Amino acid sequence: EADIYQTPRYLVIGTGKKITLECSQTMGHDKMYWYQQDPGMELHLIHYSYGVNSTEKGDLSSESTVSRIRTEHFPLTLESARPSHTSQYLCASSHGELFFGEGSRLTVL
Amino acid sequence: AQSVSQHNHHVILSEAASLELGCNYSYGGTVNLFWYVQYPGQHLQLLLKYFSGDPLVKGIKGFEAEFIKSKFSFNLRKPSVQWSDTAEYFCAVNAESNAGNNRKLIWGLGTSLGVNP
Repeated sequence: EADIYQTPRYLVIGTGKKITLECSQTMGHDKMYWYQQDPGMELHLIHYSYGVNSTEKGDLSSESTVSRIRTEHFPLTLESARPSHTSQYLCASSHGELFFGEGSRLTVL
Repeated sequence: AQSVSQHNHHVILSEAASLELGCNYSYGGTVNLFWYVQYPGQHLQLLLKYFSGDPLVKGIKGFEAEFIKSKFSFNLRKPSVQWSDTAEYFCAVNAESNAGNNRKLIWGLGTSLGVNP
């Protein structure tokens, strides 16, 4: 059983609000990832980290930002949410295979 | 560019029917191959993987997949599905040179499987 946790699971907010999606893992993995998942589409990597103080943007351009101050914590922030940010966001960590959280479904009105 | 193609976007079967989900990839080199599954309301999890050796790979819950290098395929199979197999199935491919680096993992669009009791 994977120990990777995402909060909130569901979030509905208005345009212009700042939001932070939390992701924590207790497995001590150095590598962590954020994916965006939309219905009928493949998973798109938007951010990844190879360790503390290491963050890189993924293949899909995203207005979100991430930080990695502690190994176990990899939060994603949107400074000003827009309807185009409506999506499911999946956090993962890896040691060989990927371990995923249950996702955060964001709806921006 | 590398890509992964899953032929069936939606599959509906009755219990006890046999299942085969197609996955083809485009990459000329050595690859690592994965099938992930997402049950309703749950997180994505690894079903099985192929790195090297026997091209017929056994996974959890009675699933298996066969790597056919000449066909660039890694089809997922199960002889007799159950209602609890209802889920979304994703194929993913990583060039062997990227082994351990999931940054370069290429995902298929997924196949939604519904199993009627």
